[in-house]
Amino acid sequence: AQSVTQLDSHVSVSEGTPVLLRCNYSSSYSPSLFWYVQHPNKGLQLLLKYTSAATLVKGINGFEAEFKKSETSFHLTKPSAHMSDAAEYFCVVSDPRSFQKLVFGTGTRLLVSP
Amino acid sequence: EPEVTQTPSHQVTQMGQEVILRCVPISNHLYFYWYRQILGQKVEFLVSFYNNEISEKSEIFDDQFSVERPDGSNFTLKIRSTKLEDSAMYFCASRATGGNSPLHFGNGTRLTVT
Repeated sequence: AQSVTQLDSHVSVSEGTPVLLRCNYSSSYSPSLFWYVQHPNKGLQLLLKYTSAATLVKGINGFEAEFKKSETSFHLTKPSAHMSDAAEYFCVVSDPRSFQKLVFGTGTRLLVSP
Repeated sequence: EPEVTQTPSHQVTQMGQEVILRCVPISNHLYFYWYRQILGQKVEFLVSFYNNEISEKSEIFDDQFSVERPDGSNFTLKIRSTKLEDSAMYFCASRATGGNSPLHFGNGTRLTVT
C-alpha cells in the first residue's frame, strides 16, 4: 500500500529564511509524488510533481523537492520564505494501480513571521 | 488557466436531508474524483469515475453516496440522507489522460450538517 508520512505538523520560519518541509513515503511501486498547498479557505493547488524523471523537481513560487530513493524521502524546500507562503502543505503519493488515486499525508502548517 | 469549479462554496443542511454537490471539471479531462477533508483530519479519497462509471470507491463511500455525470460538463456528488459526521470540506478533482497527469482540484464545498 502507498503511504506518506509528514514528519512535522507545524513549521515556523522567519521571512527570508529557508524552508524545509519533510516527507517520507512508502510505496510498493515506483511512486509518483506530489506536493500540494492549501491556503486558508482555498482549494488544493499543485506545487510540483515527481514522476520518475529528474530527481530534483522545481515547482511554482520558488519551491523544489528532491526525490531520494535510498532515504524514501521527498522533502520540500525553498531558499527564502515569503509571508505569502504561509499555508498548509500536503505530501501526496499516487497509486498507479488505482487510476492515480491520491494518498495524502497529514499536512504541515507553515507559519511565516516577519 | 482552466480550473475545476465547485458550487456551492458553503452548504448547510439538516441531518437526514439530501444534498448535491456540484463540480465542473476541466473540459478535456476524463478522470474525475471526489475527496473530503473532515476538519483537522487528512484529505481522504472517496471515489474515482471514468468512462461514465465508478472505477474505485473507498469504504467511506457507502450506499448513502452516489456520483453522476448528468451531462457533458457537470460531475455531482449526492449524499442521500446526511449525517452529522458528513460535515467536511468536499473537493472535486479531475485529470487528463496520461499516467502521470496530476489531479487538479476545485476550491471545495464546505458542508455543514446540523
